[in-house]
Amino acid sequence: DTEVTQTPKHLVMGMTNKKSLKCEQHMGHRAMYWYKQKAKKPPELMFVYSYEKLSINESVPSRFSPECPNSSLLNLHLHALQPEDSALYLCASSQRGGEETQYFGPGTRLLVL
Amino acid sequence: ELKVEQNPLFLSMQEGKNYTIYCNYSTTSDRLYWYRQDPGKSLESLFVLLSNGAVKQEGRLMASLDTKARLSTLHITAAVHDLSATYFCAGDLQGAQKLVFGQGTRLTINP
Repeated sequence: DTEVTQTPKHLVMGMTNKKSLKCEQHMGHRAMYWYKQKAKKPPELMFVYSYEKLSINESVPSRFSPECPNSSLLNLHLHALQPEDSALYLCASSQRGGEETQYFGPGTRLLVL
Repeated sequence: ELKVEQNPLFLSMQEGKNYTIYCNYSTTSDRLYWYRQDPGKSLESLFVLLSNGAVKQEGRLMASLDTKARLSTLHITAAVHDLSATYFCAGDLQGAQKLVFGQGTRLTINP
């Protein structure tokens, strides 16, 4: 089973809202990732958690706040977003965050009004 | 800083033809990945190339890696419509923790 699940599939939020994106995997992977993908562009790395600790933050604005409650779950908390933050947010996981393929979830399509 | 460039960015081809997508990268990358993305969908892993001279094949797709030339290729043999998608190559730094993607090649295969 190489499945990464993400909820919700779609999200519309206003600039003053607070919302969260959720990602889950049950493959025993110890590294989890958040990517942002704008239309017709490649994914861009936002955060990496390795063994439930934040190991990479790609200078993402503080209105995005990641959280890794346990080895299977990854959240992305959103607050005071801007319209330019509208994008597809992809979660991925890999076995140890070393040499393994990253497996991507289906994504959450976010629209900020 | 690792930079990854693909060409062509757009490719329209007929069924039954062969073609190659090229992926150049700017500095040493531990390994090279190929992903497929259908419109509105997520990324599907196709190949991981680990060493110089590596060649992997799955169906009508074959990927290769030349680390000396810093070049990977994705070759499509006898294309079929189902292969229409966007194909990304990606290199990594610090192991697979930081993938750097190419711009993507949007492939359209016409009947």
